[in-house]
Amino acid sequence: QSVLTQPPSVSAAPGQKVTISCSGSSSKIANNYVSWYQQLPGTAPKLLIYDNNKRPSGIPDRFSGSKSGTSATLGITGLQTGDEADYYCGTWDSSLRVVVFGGGTKLTVL
Amino acid sequence: EVQLVQSGAEVKKPGESLKISCKGSGYTFSGYWIAWVRQMPGKGLEWMGIIYPGDSDTKYSPSFQGQVTMSVDKSINTAYLQWGSVKASDTAMYYCARVATSLLDGMDVWGQGTTVTVSS
Repeated sequence: QSVLTQPPSVSAAPGQKVTISCSGSSSKIANNYVSWYQQLPGTAPKLLIYDNNKRPSGIPDRFSGSKSGTSATLGITGLQTGDEADYYCGTWDSSLRVVVFGGGTKLTVL
Repeated sequence: EVQLVQSGAEVKKPGESLKISCKGSGYTFSGYWIAWVRQMPGKGLEWMGIIYPGDSDTKYSPSFQGQVTMSVDKSINTAYLQWGSVKASDTAMYYCARVATSLLDGMDVWGQGTTVTVSS
């Protein structure tokens, strides 16, 4: 069981918008930055969002992040079939002093 | 181009030793922490720990403390993850990743992964 809670799967049609939630306790999300990673099938994870809502260079603005209290959300607009992947949230756990991840959410673009 | 290139797939028998590598290029290798992340078959990401190539300072996740050893040779920009005696439960994909600025900022560059298979 992962320390951060994500829905196992989400789905939406091409062109639509989807959100993926990530929840945790105050020692994790509430007091630290959240990152989001995209893992396309058979590939290494890729940083999508860092510091709750910042995008690394090269990440399109279709991807957005937000945080409120002990929850964070990844938003993806203008869905494309190429967005089908597993998405993971991650943050620093101030109590355990480790990086923790959510269990991952599989996005299906119908 | 900033990149991390990991060593190739490994197949080991239980009880054998193993050392996999992660070579950085395109940036000042000694100036950024390197993290190791495990992904067991069909499962999610698990943070194993980090090492700072500049001084070999190492921090392990309690789940992996004593199970693996992280090391680095900064003269050749390479980090290592090693096992003294592998078990079947070590079968997984292992990724190295560069920590962006601090652990609070995520991991911005990832290696391609090294598959480790432990089977008798």
